[in-house]
Amino acid sequence: NAGVTQTPKFQVLKTGQSMTLQCAQDMNHEYMSWYRQDPGMGLRLIHYSVGAGITDQGEVPNGYNVSRSTTEDFPLRLLSAAPSQTSVYFCASAARAYNEQFFGPGTRLTVL
Amino acid sequence: DAKTTQPPSMDCAEGRAANLPCNHSTISGNEYVYWYRQIHSQGPQYIIHGLKNNETNEMASLIITEDRKSSTLILPHATLRDTAVYYCIVRVVHGSSNTGKLIFGQGTTLQVKP
Repeated sequence: NAGVTQTPKFQVLKTGQSMTLQCAQDMNHEYMSWYRQDPGMGLRLIHYSVGAGITDQGEVPNGYNVSRSTTEDFPLRLLSAAPSQTSVYFCASAARAYNEQFFGPGTRLTVL
Repeated sequence: DAKTTQPPSMDCAEGRAANLPCNHSTISGNEYVYWYRQIHSQGPQYIIHGLKNNETNEMASLIITEDRKSSTLILPHATLRDTAVYYCIVRVVHGSSNTGKLIFGQGTTLQVKP
């Protein structure tokens, strides 16, 4: 049982480039979410999904897209990277939205 | 979701109990108290949660005051590996409009010292 996995662990982008951060879970959880954490700050919710085919915006959704075609995967797409998106990105999953959440190890993204 | 207030930092001697306080004076009747921790930039880790009764699991104990306006997370025998940022979070658990959102404040940085 791998839990929540995220790839890549590190990524450097140039301004304007696009990329997809991958997140997968093998616990058959319905709920998945993406957070970002900036230096010295708490985590902020970007997007979340309560089940396959259902996604919604969180607190800071601008500049990011998500989709949930399977229960296992919840990729986060950066459409046109900006330096303000330099951050650590965490994916989380839970059996339901109201259950305790399990977090992945994070992706450290730098946008130059 | 109600706001929480935690001290920014605390120290604890290895082997002693670590008591981390949290104030949530505006908590509503249907809001639970959750605790997570984040060890050295890893992903946050769930510790424990409760509504109004005290709770205990293999990691910690949670003591919630009778008026539910504050709580204390207790790590009974702190080790160096417990050095982390501890987040107290208040959230509604049930309901069809539940977004699952966790509001992470600044948390308490617990330093366990040898």
